[in-house]
Amino acid sequence: SYELTQPPSVSVSPGQTARITCSGDALPKQYAYWYQQKPGQAPVLVIYKDSERPSGIPERFSGSSSGTTVTLTISGVQAEDEADYYCQSADSSGTRVFGTGTKVTVL
Amino acid sequence: EVQLVESGGGLVQPGGSLRLSCAASGFTFSSYDMHWVRQATGKGLEWVSAIGTAGDTYYPGSVKGRFTISRENAKNSLYLQMNSLRAGDTAVYYCAREGVGATGFDYWGQGTLVTVSS
Repeated sequence: SYELTQPPSVSVSPGQTARITCSGDALPKQYAYWYQQKPGQAPVLVIYKDSERPSGIPERFSGSSSGTTVTLTISGVQAEDEADYYCQSADSSGTRVFGTGTKVTVL
Repeated sequence: EVQLVESGGGLVQPGGSLRLSCAASGFTFSSYDMHWVRQATGKGLEWVSAIGTAGDTYYPGSVKGRFTISRENAKNSLYLQMNSLRAGDTAVYYCAREGVGATGFDYWGQGTLVTVSS
């Protein structure tokens, strides 16, 4: 089955930049999406179609794509950004898949 | 305001069945693809099923043949029929709306807990 691989954790100091990668063989052909999930809450979409930001999501969240890897960048990290982040994509049959998840810790 | 409210979760024995519901409001339900996503305690998100506006359905291998997604547009409702349940199906189940034009899962419910245990 198709897999998306993320680092388990990323630590960053306030005001610095956090980068979270997501790797998968189909990413050159399929869009990637990113979700933020805080404890006890439902996920929230923060990036769609690799690099588009939904309305209401702060500009410090951005996405990029290069080959089989997509990256979520959080610039000027704030304490409120501490959360789990998941990438998501699809394969050619329409099956969706989530990445393994990355816990972002703000030091 | 878009709202998705899941119901139907609970405790069920292994091998049993359960039907989850998701009540949608605040948007034209029939115009959107809908999904179920689950999350076991302390684990990551797992996509469970999808249904398109035309009623086309999709499943991962882990639930195919056991779970059935359906929708009733007249009632603005999404369903997940779960049969032959296993301990590994224990999770919070979320319904989610997929935005038009492949814009991702833009709205989520708060989830309903399914526990499979004897």
